[in-house]
Amino acid sequence: KQEVTQIPAALSVPEGENLVLNCSFTDSAIYNLQWFRQDPGKGLTSLLLIQSSQREQTSGRLNASLDKSSGRSTLYIAASQPGDSATYLCAVPTGTASKLTFGTGTRLQVTL
Amino acid sequence: DAGVIQSPRHEVTEMGQEVTLRCKPISGHNSLFWYRQTMMRGLELLIYFNNNVPIDDSGMPEDRFSAKMPNASFSTLKIQPSEPRDSAVYFCASTPEDRGTDQPQHFGDGTRLSIL
Repeated sequence: KQEVTQIPAALSVPEGENLVLNCSFTDSAIYNLQWFRQDPGKGLTSLLLIQSSQREQTSGRLNASLDKSSGRSTLYIAASQPGDSATYLCAVPTGTASKLTFGTGTRLQVTL
Repeated sequence: DAGVIQSPRHEVTEMGQEVTLRCKPISGHNSLFWYRQTMMRGLELLIYFNNNVPIDDSGMPEDRFSAKMPNASFSTLKIQPSEPRDSAVYFCASTPEDRGTDQPQHFGDGTRLSIL
């Protein structure tokens, strides 16, 4: 059974810092890995999707890497801003390609 | 693009009542997913449809839960009878890919359900 773990569970940093969120998964036979953002009272917003053949994806200040062999992914956020405050979740398809298993998330707070 | 639309946004009802949650996927998306999010268990997939057909309902907790997708633009998740432990936020998501492998899922804002 695929298990997805995210560390840390919560993180508070001052504005401007670069930070790394971690995601680990137990079954490396994945099609892709996705990073989502969830704001309070809202649904999830897809940030980045990394195919299993890729090692990283970038979107603006966000960079996600994937190491299938070690079962790890990282989300790097450069020059953090208060607007980055949210919960970040990673997810991998499990069994059928469309069935996502989510991590428990990292709650990020960026302070002024 | 209006995004995935869910209704109601909030629902408070008494134990034993029937609850119906509704979802309108993004036009043109042919895969639809129902999730439940709780503090204890996180985000769990309940069921997903492809081209209006249920593909995997192994996440549906018990027979009190049922889901339908009568057409490409509408789906319902029904709980009958409801119980306090069903209290959670229920999300609907859709994606344009048949297999959902290469396209991210687009989520609605969820229905916050409270069963008293």
